[in-house]
Amino acid sequence: GAGVSQSPSNKVTEKGKDVELRCDPISGHTALYWYRQRLGQGLEFLIYFQGNSAPDKSGLPSDRFSAERTGESVSTLTIQRTQQEDSAVYLCASSLIEGWGYGYTFGSGTRLTVV
Amino acid sequence: DAKTTQPNSMESNEEEPVHLPCNHSTISGTDYIHWYRQLPSQGPEYVIHGLTSNVNNRMASLAIAEDRKSSTLILHRATLRDAAVYYCILKGNKFYFGSGTKLNVKP
Repeated sequence: GAGVSQSPSNKVTEKGKDVELRCDPISGHTALYWYRQRLGQGLEFLIYFQGNSAPDKSGLPSDRFSAERTGESVSTLTIQRTQQEDSAVYLCASSLIEGWGYGYTFGSGTRLTVV
Repeated sequence: DAKTTQPNSMESNEEEPVHLPCNHSTISGTDYIHWYRQLPSQGPEYVIHGLTSNVNNRMASLAIAEDRKSSTLILHRATLRDAAVYYCILKGNKFYFGSGTKLNVKP
């Protein structure tokens, strides 16, 4: 596709339920990041995928959070037993190749509201 | 990972140049300096990046200090559409975002 696509764009869920967020990166992009952005705050790193290497999960805030990526395509971020503090916009970004000189393209995010 | 320091907010008049500063005193020799901006209700958008030399593109210019411990994003003529949060990021092992500078452009 032309850009990074995230779905759903908005999600309202009840506390304690599981949610799955999807990111479709730009075709051929090997590097993919997930970030969380709480209202009025900056971006918080969650997880990073680079090709077939083991993902960097050091930013995941708890074991309720997990993410997968199939090869160099779609990635899903799963939050189990959601809590109200999980309410935020979840952003995905991808890059053609991981390299310090390459920029990233971001999706528009999924706004998650836990009630 | 190296951190960046930016002013929380800045204000500019439309049609005037804007200089957005960023301090990164702990930058390593291989860290690239990236700038992104985030318009309201959108994901961040790439603006410009550089390593040592000043850089220009259609959106902005990036001036990098000789010691690389600071940089300045220059918008040559601010428009109302440039109102956004501007993030200065050091691209090393990871891609960490700070709190950014909220730019307000007055008509």
